[in-house]
Amino acid sequence: KQEVTQIPAALSVPEGENLVLNCSFTDSAIYNLQWFRQDPGKGLTSLLLIQSSQREQTSGRLNASLDKSSGRSTLYIAASQPGDSATYLCAVRSNTGFQKLVFGTGTRLLVSP
Amino acid sequence: GAVVSQHPSWVICKSGTSVKIECRSLDFQATTMFWYRQFPKQSLMLMATSNEGSKATYEQGVEKDKFLINHASLTLSTLTVTSAHPEDSSFYICSARSLRGRGDYEQYFGPGTRLTVT
Repeated sequence: KQEVTQIPAALSVPEGENLVLNCSFTDSAIYNLQWFRQDPGKGLTSLLLIQSSQREQTSGRLNASLDKSSGRSTLYIAASQPGDSATYLCAVRSNTGFQKLVFGTGTRLLVSP
Repeated sequence: GAVVSQHPSWVICKSGTSVKIECRSLDFQATTMFWYRQFPKQSLMLMATSNEGSKATYEQGVEKDKFLINHASLTLSTLTVTSAHPEDSSFYICSARSLRGRGDYEQYFGPGTRLTVT
């Protein structure tokens, strides 16, 4: 059974800092990996999707990497802003069956002005 | 991008009553829909997967007689919480998946429904 863990569980940084969020998964047989953002009481916003054959994806100040063999992914946020404050979820999609997404435990990020 | 809507966005009901939550894909046909539950400060847990016109597949530990899922069309799925109890209070999120071609999929999430059972 796939298990996805995110470290740290919570992170508080001052504005402008670069930061790294970590995601690890137990079963490397994945189809792809996706990073989401969730604001309090809201649904999910997709940030980046990395196919299993890719090593990284970039969008603006966000960069996500994937090391499938070691079961790890990182989300790098450059020059953090207060608007980045949210919970960040990592999710892996299996390459069998319904290709279900299994979500990580999340990292709650607070960027202070 | 594709939009998934949920209705209602929040609902309060009394213990013992049933509540229906609708999930619609607004501008695409969803071959598969997923229902998730999220408790406060926890991650999303998949409850069930449904394909249009067939019975839903429930995850281990999810009571299919309590959480009734109907995927009657390619744009609508409903989740009915029957005989709701306070422990069913949670944030329910649906997700719809469309086939993009070449066997690839894109999955879109609804805004969620906050259920409070008193």
